[in-house]
Amino acid sequence: QQPVQSPQAVILREGEDAVINCSSSKALYSVHWYRQKHGEAPVFLMILLKGGEQKGHEKISASFNEKKQQSSLYLTASQLSYSGTYFCGTDLLKAAGNKLTFGGGTRVLVKP
Amino acid sequence: DSGVTQTPKHLITATGQRVTLRCSPRSGDLSVYWYQQSLDQGLQFLIHYYNGEERAKGNILERFSAQQFPDLHSELNLSSLELGDSALYFCASTRDSTDTQYFGPGTRLTVL
Repeated sequence: QQPVQSPQAVILREGEDAVINCSSSKALYSVHWYRQKHGEAPVFLMILLKGGEQKGHEKISASFNEKKQQSSLYLTASQLSYSGTYFCGTDLLKAAGNKLTFGGGTRVLVKP
Repeated sequence: DSGVTQTPKHLITATGQRVTLRCSPRSGDLSVYWYQQSLDQGLQFLIHYYNGEERAKGNILERFSAQQFPDLHSELNLSSLELGDSALYFCASTRDSTDTQYFGPGTRLTVL
């Protein structure tokens, strides 16, 4: 079951904040966040494990709400380099390994 | 540079043909994952190999097959190609099942 990401797209001015959500209808073991620029490979941002703590990467942080089976990615004081498509990948079972199912992506455009 | 290499970078072929995509994981990584990314389907998990053994299958067509060799490189074979197989094919590698997935630069396949 593919996780649902929202919003589908967001346009920001440099310095503004944004939140991207990733929701699953099934119990999750882990959520992985990636950013992909056009024509390039996805680049890992962070991984959140069930029962784990909120993670951060520079001014990008994320949380994992186990009750709601939802993860949120926070872009704080956005920079031009934050532009790209953000994907969440979800993994249901640790035993199954990292069989990630990716959401449809959220396009982020940061303007000067 | 993720340390994962993929060849070729671009591949143009005709319908009905067969092609082989190659992936070399990061040094020390035992797991290789294959993904297909197309405009209408997004990023789709195809198959996962760990130390030469198939671990998980995703949305992989019967016309597609993969293997991982003793030196840990992996090949994805696509046969009886159709126009709809045109896509970016990524491989990713990890050290273990809970580790971050590092993506290669991808192979862009165009079927004419």
